[in-house]
Amino acid sequence: QQQVKQSPQSLIVQKGGISIINCAYENTAFDYFPWYQQFPGKGPALLIAIRPDVSEKKEGRFTISFNKSAKQFSLHIMDSQPGDSATYFCAATTYNFNKFYFGSGTKLNVKP
Amino acid sequence: IAGITQAPTSQILAAGRRMTLRCTQDMRHNAMYWYRQDLGLGLRLIHYSNTAGTTGKGEVPDGYSVSRANTDDFPLTLASAVPSQTSVYFCASGTPGPGAASNQPQHFGDGTRLSIL
Repeated sequence: QQQVKQSPQSLIVQKGGISIINCAYENTAFDYFPWYQQFPGKGPALLIAIRPDVSEKKEGRFTISFNKSAKQFSLHIMDSQPGDSATYFCAATTYNFNKFYFGSGTKLNVKP
Repeated sequence: IAGITQAPTSQILAAGRRMTLRCTQDMRHNAMYWYRQDLGLGLRLIHYSNTAGTTGKGEVPDGYSVSRANTDDFPLTLASAVPSQTSVYFCASGTPGPGAASNQPQHFGDGTRLSIL
């Protein structure tokens, strides 16, 4: 049973558009939610992360929206660029950071 | 450049053979992790180690073993490889514990692509 469910599996967005990737979880003990970006042939790299005590976190063009009651969180990429084309993973972990649970990934393609 | 080094970068292995994937970090992170990445399943934790001398099981530990003799090295061993272990394996490191945003496996290696025939 997957602890974190991610959608969509793939996404095509025009340059300048908004990319939105969604994740949902069940375990209410999760209290840290990072997003990772992965380019082909490379390992994932931390993009942005949020804790459930805030509803939104923004870093440049990347924003996480968090809905604690719905147990959902999403990544918004504003003004999407071709260089943003990559696979994105959401994840969740509990306070001790022992085990991270990843979503299944979203392959984003930003068309020029 | 500080980071994580994984070796080999790729390997083709006959079923039933023993294989050790190597992982070395030079950031002095306490925690290290092994994940496998499979299409449509994301990254799944195999084993982890919070500090040298300790290890723990992740989501999919069967068929794998690890050791953590020192802070820098965290090898993953497949005692008798099976085709279902064909995957891309990622090693990661971080600093576990509650609180600071830096406490996470934010440093990943570039992976080992393993094919078992």
